[in-house]
Amino acid sequence: AQSVAQPEDQVNVAEGNPLTVKCTYSVSGNPYLFWYVQYPNRGLQFLLKYITGDNLVKGSYGFEAEFNKSQTSFHLKKPSALVSDSALYFCAVRDLSGGYNKLIFGAGTRLAVHP
Amino acid sequence: ETGVTQTPRHLVMGMTNKKSLKCEQHLGHNAMYWYKQSAKKPLELMFVYNFKEQTENNSVPSRFSPECPNSSHLFLHLHTLQPEDSALYLCASSQELSQDNSPLHFGNGTRLTVT
Repeated sequence: AQSVAQPEDQVNVAEGNPLTVKCTYSVSGNPYLFWYVQYPNRGLQFLLKYITGDNLVKGSYGFEAEFNKSQTSFHLKKPSALVSDSALYFCAVRDLSGGYNKLIFGAGTRLAVHP
Repeated sequence: ETGVTQTPRHLVMGMTNKKSLKCEQHLGHNAMYWYKQSAKKPLELMFVYNFKEQTENNSVPSRFSPECPNSSHLFLHLHTLQPEDSALYLCASSQELSQDNSPLHFGNGTRLTVT
């Protein structure tokens, strides 16, 4: 069965420092991987996805993610964190069973960026 | 504006009440989803509709009853709920289920409290 794991409940970063939010996955076959962000009292917003091609994927708001097949990871990164990046981040993998676009989400990681 | 509108934003109901959650999307999508978000748990997929046809019922109790009268509207009818059903209910849409790469677009959710 497809699954994703986000090992950290919370990540704390000082503004201006680089940030990393971790995600590992388990799939049979090639993975389709996604990152979403949820700001307070809002729904989830799509950030970026990896389908195929370059292992470094660039997305919205200056975020990028690195696909690492050998480590089965898809960590989210940003070179310089902003206080406004503080939010809940979800990693997701497409569930291949049923043959359609069903996403399996992780439990989320809360990112806190301090001034 | 996310393109996916959910009403009401907040709902408090007793265990014997009947209420409905509404979702409307203005994106021309053909697939719609209900997710349940509970604190510190992965998002739980509840129901999936593609071109108004229900394609997934993810072992959801019968006290939750979905309705999809057209591709733009999705309802979740609630009756005799339990306190553990209190959560944020998120509606999402995507182009259609066969579009593997299309991201989900989420509404801002309905915060449900069952008393």
